[in-house]
Amino acid sequence: DAKTTQPPSMDCAEGRAANLPCNHSTISGNEYVYWYRQIHSQGPQYIIHGLKNNETNEMASLIITEDRKSSTLILPHATLRDTAVYYCIVREIPFYNQGGKLIFGQGTELSVKP
Amino acid sequence: DSGVTQTPKHLITATGQRVTLRCSPRSGDLSVYWYQQSLDQGLQFLIQYYNGEERAKGNILERFSAQQFPDLHSELNLSSLELGDSALYFCASSVGFVGDEKLFFGSGTQLSVL
Repeated sequence: DAKTTQPPSMDCAEGRAANLPCNHSTISGNEYVYWYRQIHSQGPQYIIHGLKNNETNEMASLIITEDRKSSTLILPHATLRDTAVYYCIVREIPFYNQGGKLIFGQGTELSVKP
Repeated sequence: DSGVTQTPKHLITATGQRVTLRCSPRSGDLSVYWYQQSLDQGLQFLIQYYNGEERAKGNILERFSAQQFPDLHSELNLSSLELGDSALYFCASSVGFVGDEKLFFGSGTQLSVL
C-alpha cells in the first residue's frame, strides 16, 4: 500500500506557483520522498526526490519538514503543460540487491487554468 | 524521451489469447520494472528484474510472467487474457540498487482485450 496521502485534486492559475502537499507520517529513516507526474496516460515522469534536505532542480523545488512527516512540491511558475497527476512516493532505499520499487498512490490531479 | 522503449504501443486481442510485451531499458540500466495501469486500480507494481534475475514481485497474476534476457531487455507475457486485463502496461528501468536512483518509464503499451 502507498505510504502517502495527497489531496485528490487542486487548481492553479497559470503563471502562479503550484504548491502540492503530501503527508508521509510513517516514513522511516531509510526512505526517500520521490515526486513523479503523469500527463494524460503518458509514462510517469521523474520530477525530484529528497531525503531530508530541501531540493531544487530545473523543474521544481521540494520542501521536506524537519520531522520528515510531510513535504511540499513547488512548481514556481505553473504553465498549462503542467496539468497532470502528481504522485508523491516514499521509496525504500535498496539494500543488498533488494527493494527500490516505487509504489504509487492515487496522486493529486493538478489543473492549471489560464 | 526517457530512453526506455516499449513495443508495441497498441495491442488489440481477444479473450483467451496470449500476448508478449517488450521493453528495452535505458543504456546501462540493469533493473527493469513492470507496472499495470487500469482505470479503477491506478498504477500497480507487477514485478522487478535485475540483471536477469527476479528481485521483487507485486500484484502479478499467475497468468502473467516476465523475464529479463542477457541483453537486458525484458518481456511481459500475458496469457489466458480476460476483459479485465485491458490496461496500460508500463516498463521502467534504473541503474539498479543505488540508494537514490531514478526510475525512468517508457511510454507504455495499451492492451485492449475484446
